[in-house]
Amino acid sequence: QPVLTQSSSASASLGSSVKLTCTLSSGHSYYIIAWHQQQPGKAPRFLLRIEGSQSFSKGSGVPDRFSGSYSGPDRYLTISNLQSEDEADYYCETWDSKTHVFGGGTRLTVL
Amino acid sequence: QVQLVQSGTEVKKPGSSVKVSCKASGGTFSTYSYAWVRQAPGQGLEWMGRIIPSLGIVDFAQKFQGRVTITADTVTTTAYMELTNLRSDDKAVYYCASGNYGYPFDSWGQGTLVTVSS
Repeated sequence: QPVLTQSSSASASLGSSVKLTCTLSSGHSYYIIAWHQQQPGKAPRFLLRIEGSQSFSKGSGVPDRFSGSYSGPDRYLTISNLQSEDEADYYCETWDSKTHVFGGGTRLTVL
Repeated sequence: QVQLVQSGTEVKKPGSSVKVSCKASGGTFSTYSYAWVRQAPGQGLEWMGRIIPSLGIVDFAQKFQGRVTITADTVTTTAYMELTNLRSDDKAVYYCASGNYGYPFDSWGQGTLVTVSS
């Protein structure tokens, strides 16, 4: 089954942009992935599904500041014009016919 | 996209069982996949298993095989997860999540805290 690798932490300044990375394991670089956001003390929330190198499908109510892309085995979540409420844990998810897998999560700090 | 509402906090003793419910509304219940994902204190998300009522499919993460049961009641549009032989390291928030088969989870329940303590 695929394995997803994420950096444990990231930080960026208020109003700037940040690009989070999720890397698929060898042999699984073609898998579709999704990104979820988990704000402190809350349930996760679906953000978007990456369908192509510059093509993604967002969840209901997700701001335009969130976008997705990929290159090879790397899947990206870009957040533009960072807001304080973007400070959260971000998880990538993938799946096959039998299982779902999550990455370890990236904690984003907004400075 | 469905809305998911879970049952409340549970406090259990080691060796006992817990059953958590997840009431779905706002969509066609049977056509979605319903999964259970847990999060231990300070840890990440861990997929436990899922059920697809329309296909009669139930899958589990190997780690939970034999200890978890996932069912769905199409009349009450409720999914259930039962975990047996509880241990202290089963203390976690248990989330219900749903999505179309072959797609990611696009709806999440609010979570159910399960504490295991003697």
